[in-house]
Amino acid sequence: DGGITQSPKYLFRKEGQNVTLSCEQNLNHDAMYWYRQDPGQGLRLIYYSQIVNDFQKGDIAEGYSVSREKKESFPLTVTSAQKNPTAFYLCASRLAGGPGELFFGEGSRLTVL
Amino acid sequence: AQSVAQPEDQVNVAEGNPLTVKCTYSVSGNPYLFWYVQYPNRGLQFLLKYITGDNLVKGSYGFEAEFNKSQTSFHLKKPSALVSDSALYFCAVRDISSGSARQLTFGSGTQLTVLP
Repeated sequence: DGGITQSPKYLFRKEGQNVTLSCEQNLNHDAMYWYRQDPGQGLRLIYYSQIVNDFQKGDIAEGYSVSREKKESFPLTVTSAQKNPTAFYLCASRLAGGPGELFFGEGSRLTVL
Repeated sequence: AQSVAQPEDQVNVAEGNPLTVKCTYSVSGNPYLFWYVQYPNRGLQFLLKYITGDNLVKGSYGFEAEFNKSQTSFHLKKPSALVSDSALYFCAVRDISSGSARQLTFGSGTQLTVLP
């Protein structure tokens, strides 16, 4: 079945460590997104990518980095520069252009110890 | 700029009663509007969207939403609530007329609790 796979589901990190969250989709979607979710704050956009080898910063990109080397993959690295990384991270994708809705993965919960 | 507001953090309703989850939006042009549902520790699931045409949009699991341009609202409704509808609901908007057409803006979410 087509969908978006995020891994790991749960991740624990010590302060000062970089971690990478995986996002893979087999929907043949052009655009991919990373959101951060904190209680009571809804979803905030970290980075998005419309095509391979191109991506743009969202509203809260500081302390994060991404790459888009393949159409189906859009990994997110949470760097040690991110001051408050404990959160639920959601990856999403959609067909570029038009009003198409976002399809979401199941999320990755990162906890900094 | 585009924005969306969900004025109620929490909505409680008895099983079998109708439910409404409110959403208002602000865009400079014309909106695309969406509703999503999220269960604990899960991703968001798409419920329905308004693009153009009929103001009453029907979606998954018996939900519907009414687009009201004059009130800039897009409230989510269901005639008879189920306990299994208890979840976090998000409204989202995309302004199709601006440079931010690529991004969705989400509301802060409304926690719906259906009481048995």
